[in-house]
Amino acid sequence: EAGVVQSPRYKIIEKKQPVAFWCNPISGHNTLYWYLQNLGQGPELLIRYENEEAVDDSQLPKDRFSAERLKGVDSTLKIQPAELGDSAVYLCASSVGLAPGEQYFGPGTRLTVT
Amino acid sequence: RKEVEQDPGPFNVPEGATVAFNCTYSNSASQSFFWYRQDCRKEPKLLMSVYSSGNEDGRFTAQLNRASQYISLLIRDSKLSDSATYLCVVNSFMDTGRRALTFGSGTRLQVQP
Repeated sequence: EAGVVQSPRYKIIEKKQPVAFWCNPISGHNTLYWYLQNLGQGPELLIRYENEEAVDDSQLPKDRFSAERLKGVDSTLKIQPAELGDSAVYLCASSVGLAPGEQYFGPGTRLTVT
Repeated sequence: RKEVEQDPGPFNVPEGATVAFNCTYSNSASQSFFWYRQDCRKEPKLLMSVYSSGNEDGRFTAQLNRASQYISLLIRDSKLSDSATYLCVVNSFMDTGRRALTFGSGTRLQVQP
């Protein structure tokens, strides 16, 4: 069975440019999470979807970040415009329902903003 | 105070040693607890859940102390392949009624030959 797929794996952009990340969760997983992870830190939740509904986006900086999961399957996270401090690894994870201890993570997208 | 705190380490131990990590949490309403493992430049993966009565999986033992609000992970007979960062994860119900899953910053373990 395929795991969580993310693309791109690496992205280098200049500040003020837009960037988008894509995630395809494990088939049948209705809950999808986007996390941000800085070096030496644990993942920090940005947004959680249950099917198409964003049920927790309290930590998403809405002035520049947006996310969508239109058909309840794959999801896109966008940053516009990017800032230097956005350099981090963006992780996508999925689970069956609210199974917080059984999240499966994708390999992440490593973003560098110059 | 952080919601979930871990000693960042690194813990440098020889092969075969026993090592233990603690993780403290601040929300007394926390419901469930987990240990994840993250290898360098890889994604986190579930290592084990932590049950109230404590649980064991091979060389790994997890324990929960609700009174003192901490969980622990014990690794016996350390292997080189155990070298990784161990993330403590706490699931809590917030005032809003929503669940919040909080990761600690991780404890780095380096097992040396």
